[in-house]
Amino acid sequence: DVKVTQSSRYLVKRTGEKVFLECVQDMDHENMFWYRQDPGLGLRLIYFSYDVKMKEKGDIPEGYSVSREKKERFSLILESASTNQTSMYLCASSTRILGPGYGYTFGSGTRLTVV
Amino acid sequence: AQSVAQPEDQVNVAEGNPLTVKCTYSVSGNPYLFWYVQYPNRGLQFLLKYITGDNLVKGSYGFEAEFNKSQTSFHLKKPSALVSDSALYFCAVRDSGTYKYIFGTGTRLKVLA
Repeated sequence: DVKVTQSSRYLVKRTGEKVFLECVQDMDHENMFWYRQDPGLGLRLIYFSYDVKMKEKGDIPEGYSVSREKKERFSLILESASTNQTSMYLCASSTRILGPGYGYTFGSGTRLTVV
Repeated sequence: AQSVAQPEDQVNVAEGNPLTVKCTYSVSGNPYLFWYVQYPNRGLQFLLKYITGDNLVKGSYGFEAEFNKSQTSFHLKKPSALVSDSALYFCAVRDSGTYKYIFGTGTRLKVLA
């Protein structure tokens, strides 16, 4: 069964800490995405990547960076965590094929609390 | 620009009754439309998709969705709701020329026993 694995289900970090959220997929997908989910706001795209070492900003990239050194792994980095980054973070992947049948596969999410 | 609207934050329905969760969209090209479901503290799971063809699409767990091009809607439906259907539902759209999806804000479905 295809999988997107997020390394932590729950994280608690202190303000100002550097935080790494890891995502690994085993489907050989080219595209990977990081979203944050907040009540009433739905899913908002932070960053995405179409290929190794490639990244593009999404709708809310401020305060975040990403790293994609290997095809299967896409890391989200909070350079200096702040309380307004407390949220559920969702990783997703998809094939590069633009055919209509190809949707996202999501990880289970990481609930980050910054105190 | 693409956009998706889910006008209802929450929908309550009695078990056994039919349910509808609404979604409207806006895209510049041909729309690819999706519904996802999220159970507490979990990621999103795929329910169904519309690409082309019949306007009524059948998906997982007895759900179906009706595509209406003139009203730019893609409402999720189920003939008989179960308590276990209680979850958060997201509608998503992808323009045929891009990889990115745009998600609605989500609708919380509560099925009451």
